[in-house]
Amino acid sequence: GAGVSQTPSNKVTEKGKYVELRCDPISGHTALYWYRQSLGQGPEFLIYFQGTGAADDSGLPNDRFFAVRPEGSVSTLKIQRTERGDSAVYLCASSLTLAGGRNEQFFGPGTRLTVL
Amino acid sequence: GESVGLHLPTLSVQEGDNSIINCAYSNSASDYFIWYKQESGKGPQFIIDIRSNMDKRQGQRVTVLLNKTVKHLSLQIAATQPGDSAVYFCASHSNSGYALNFGKGTSLLVTP
Repeated sequence: GAGVSQTPSNKVTEKGKYVELRCDPISGHTALYWYRQSLGQGPEFLIYFQGTGAADDSGLPNDRFFAVRPEGSVSTLKIQRTERGDSAVYLCASSLTLAGGRNEQFFGPGTRLTVL
Repeated sequence: GESVGLHLPTLSVQEGDNSIINCAYSNSASDYFIWYKQESGKGPQFIIDIRSNMDKRQGQRVTVLLNKTVKHLSLQIAATQPGDSAVYFCASHSNSGYALNFGKGTSLLVTP
């Protein structure tokens, strides 16, 4: 079946602009995660959804970042007033929610965001 | 806080040789570890995982070893192939149980 998809694959924007990044998880996966990966680094956790609700948004760097998942499937990561330091690859992952909490996360290809 | 790190940033091996990638972790409460492979332009891909009640787990051509005493784990790849060239990350679950903490990564280059 289809994996996690993310659009756009690349996004170039100017400092101060607003951007939206979209994630389509694997069908049936109730858990969805956003990570941010800077060049040469491992992914860093941003936010975790269980169904429609954000169960943990402790990784969001500041209030310019916001994410939604209104119907429990597709999620959108929104960044306001972008800064050059926001440039990174934004990765989305999804998983089933099984007992024990240690469920394999399947990652999408990411959206490469460049803020000029 | 927890940190998960790798000993070597790059590793170059010849095709057919075995590869060993090492990782150290700091949080002794970590109970689940995963190795991911990331090829250029792609998201991380699950390779193998291990729980803290085990010290070894084998998959197809890969073996993960966990040493809880020194908080160290390794990924062994047997008969390394050119398609194994990628960046490898170890990760562990945070105390929350779902968010992953990734190390910096080791770049594996397989030469013919």
